[in-house]
Amino acid sequence: SYVLTQSPSLSVAPGKTASITCGGTNIGSKSVHWYQQKSGQAPVLLIYYNSDRPSGIPERFSGSNSGNTATLIISWVEAGDEADYYCQVWDSSGDYAVFGGGTKLTVL
Amino acid sequence: QVQLRESGPGLLKPSETLSLTCTVSGVSVRSGNYYWTWIRQPPGKGLEWIGYTYDSGFTNYNPSLKSRVSISVYTSNNQFSLRLTSVTAADTAVYYCARGLGPAPKDSWGQGTLVTVSS
Repeated sequence: SYVLTQSPSLSVAPGKTASITCGGTNIGSKSVHWYQQKSGQAPVLLIYYNSDRPSGIPERFSGSNSGNTATLIISWVEAGDEADYYCQVWDSSGDYAVFGGGTKLTVL
Repeated sequence: QVQLRESGPGLLKPSETLSLTCTVSGVSVRSGNYYWTWIRQPPGKGLEWIGYTYDSGFTNYNPSLKSRVSISVYTSNNQFSLRLTSVTAADTAVYYCARGLGPAPKDSWGQGTLVTVSS
């Protein structure tokens, strides 16, 4: 089965840039989707198909994907960005969706 | 505006069958463009994809749950459902229904419903 690896936690100061990574074998050949989940709430789709943003998602959120690592970049981090972030791909060999373990972003 | 809402029992005993319904408003579940999906999250843990129904009948399930799960769509009520048999404590989780733009990306989610399995 396909495994996605995320660092459990990341701390960033307000106004700085947060880079949240998602590792997987040749993940660059797959489409990666990113979700934000605030405490007690349902996840929200932030980025889909590597770098597209749904309507209403600020341009501060961007995504890239190459090689064995996909990255979610949050520019000008705000206190309201404190949340868990999950990456997701479709594993075509197993024919099912896989989530990473999640990264908890703390805004200092 | 698309809205999804989960409903069903919040407490089950081991070996019972979990049955949840997702009521959709703002879009028809008959639309062939979307994947109607269930996802769960054990308390304090990450997300797990359960499966989807697509195009009013096609289904696909997580291999780890495939022997126990079924997802159905009810077009007359604009709903879709989840059925998970022989539950154990490991099935305790918040269960979310969601709309998928494709097999993976989910752009609209319900608020989630906690299902606890305990004797």
